[in-house]
Amino acid sequence: GESVGLHLPTLSVQEGDNSIINCAYSNSASDYFIWYKQESGKGPQFIIDIRSNMDKRQGQRVTVLLNKTVKHLSLQIAATQPGDSAVYFCAENRSSASKIIFGSGTRLSIRP
Amino acid sequence: DTGVSQDPRHKITKRGQNVTFRCDPISEHNRLYWYRQTLGQGPEFLTYFQNEAQLEKSRLLSDRFSAERPKGSFSTLEIQRTEQGDSAMYLCASSYPPGLAIETQYFGPGTRLLVL
Repeated sequence: GESVGLHLPTLSVQEGDNSIINCAYSNSASDYFIWYKQESGKGPQFIIDIRSNMDKRQGQRVTVLLNKTVKHLSLQIAATQPGDSAVYFCAENRSSASKIIFGSGTRLSIRP
Repeated sequence: DTGVSQDPRHKITKRGQNVTFRCDPISEHNRLYWYRQTLGQGPEFLTYFQNEAQLEKSRLLSDRFSAERPKGSFSTLEIQRTEQGDSAMYLCASSYPPGLAIETQYFGPGTRLLVL
């Protein structure tokens, strides 16, 4: 079946440190993966995506790593800031299906 | 602001009443999606439109739910005879499939529904 799950429901990080949010998926047919950030009371905000034929992609302060062998996805946030506090969702999509399948989320909190 | 907009942002209703939500997608986007999100969970797909055609519906979309996109622009989601279990955040997203590139869905702020 299809499922996208997250290893930890909460993550607390010191301001300025790097954050790593992990995600496991089960559907090997997924074509690409997406990370969304959701702040309280707001809709999910697109952060970065990666195709299944890639293993790394970098954005501004964020890096996504994909390990297809173990079906694992991670989001790395460099120099975590208070504004990074949010719930982070990994999600998967297939070219043959338009819907996105979301995991249950990891709440990232920043310690001053 | 040219992002996805939703109205209302909050709705409180009594069980058994009908409610209707509106979504205005990003203007050049021809795909529009509805998702439902309950507390502590990720959004769950409900249905999507390409232009005015409704192409897929989730089994979560019971016969009390109906969605329309009559002119291929804004969309409405109606829930009839609301139940307490319908309480959730209803999210709208839109996208413009860019050929071979990844299709990115952009979400609106959501409509939070509370059924008493």
